[in-house]
Amino acid sequence: KAGVTQTPRYLIKTRGQQVTLSCSPISGHRSVSWYQQTPGQGLQFLFEYFSETQRNKGNFPGRFSGRQFSNSRSEMNVSTLELGDSALYLCASSPDRATDTQYFGPGTRLTVL
Amino acid sequence: GENVEQHPSTLSVQEGDSAVIKCTYSDSASNYFPWYKQELGKGPQLIIDIRSNVGEKKDQRIAVTLNKTAKHFSLHITETQPEDSAVYFCAAGTRTASKLTFGTGTRLQVTL
Repeated sequence: KAGVTQTPRYLIKTRGQQVTLSCSPISGHRSVSWYQQTPGQGLQFLFEYFSETQRNKGNFPGRFSGRQFSNSRSEMNVSTLELGDSALYLCASSPDRATDTQYFGPGTRLTVL
Repeated sequence: GENVEQHPSTLSVQEGDSAVIKCTYSDSASNYFPWYKQELGKGPQLIIDIRSNVGEKKDQRIAVTLNKTAKHFSLHITETQPEDSAVYFCAAGTRTASKLTFGTGTRLQVTL
């Protein structure tokens, strides 16, 4: 089976812009979770989607949003980018729940200038 | 909410020695404890996981132990090799919450 894929791998944006990141889960996996990884805060949970519905959400501002499509592919969007949004954004998929075995993609490295 | 503490933050061992990384969690409802290895430029890779109905699990050179009473779990790597050098993360989760809370990571360096 192919692993979790994320596009793009690298992205450079300027403050105030918005960005959309994409994640394709492992075939058959229905749960997709997003995490933000920074040197200072580590790996922090953003949100989880299952069957096109957000099932859980972390402590991030409303500028961070996401969605899931009927084929389980997911996108996350960050509006009005701030310098502090520079991070590695990781997507993980699991068959049913995030506490099933969860597999991560390679991440999208976002740099905000 | 859940809080996971991980120690040490850095660990240097000689090739062939053992490495131990320890984590504690706060939420007694947590029942799933995975360990991930992250190499530079890559996403975290699951190396082993344990559920709360099991006290110990082993996979070749890697083992994880869980003490539910003390709310801590540990990763043991025996006969370390240079390719074991990476950052290791522990995590805890509950099925109902459907999310993982991660520790702060341990940078393991295996020297020749």
